[in-house]
Amino acid sequence: QSVLTQPPSVSAAPGQKVTISCSGSSSNIGNNYVSWYQQLPGTAPKLLIYDNEKRPSGIPDRFSGSKSGTSATLGITGLQTGDEADYYCGTWDSSLSVVFGGGTKLTVL
Amino acid sequence: EVQLVESGGGLVKPGGSLRLSCAASGFTFSSYSMNWVRQAPGKGLEWVSYISSSSRYIYYADSVKGRFTISRDNAKNSLYLQMNSLRAEDTAVYYCARDTGYGGNSIFDYWGQGTLVTVSS
Repeated sequence: QSVLTQPPSVSAAPGQKVTISCSGSSSNIGNNYVSWYQQLPGTAPKLLIYDNEKRPSGIPDRFSGSKSGTSATLGITGLQTGDEADYYCGTWDSSLSVVFGGGTKLTVL
Repeated sequence: EVQLVESGGGLVKPGGSLRLSCAASGFTFSSYSMNWVRQAPGKGLEWVSYISSSSRYIYYADSVKGRFTISRDNAKNSLYLQMNSLRAEDTAVYYCARDTGYGGNSIFDYWGQGTLVTVSS
């Protein structure tokens, strides 16, 4: 059971938009920044979003992040088949630990 | 180019020990905090341990506290994870990840390719 709650799966057609939610509490998301990671099949995770909404160099602006209260959201527009991956939210927790969501599998139909 | 290369994984019996290493290159290793994150087969990411740049601050997940020890050698640009009293549930791919976060923030901006640890009799 992960500390952060994500939907197990989402799907959408190519070119469409999808959002992935990440729900936590005041001990984690509510008082800390959220990062998002993309894990393509068979590869290591990759940083997609940090500080709730910032994109590292090289990440296209099709990917966006937001946070409100104890929840965060990852948005992906203009879906491509290459976006099929597992997506994880992560943040610092007041228990002096890093916590991740259980992951969301994105299927581009 | 930032590179993180893990090694030391393998098959070990329950109750056994293993030491993982992560060789860093392409950046000033001594300036960054580092983490170990693991992923059991078919499962999600689980954070394991954190060590600050100077080793002053060290944190562990409850699931490994008392059994695993994180350390680093800044002169050798290397991160380590000593794993003792291994259990079947420790079976996972172990990743080292650079942490560019600050003030309690965690941002894992670079990850290694991972090393597989299998605990089985």
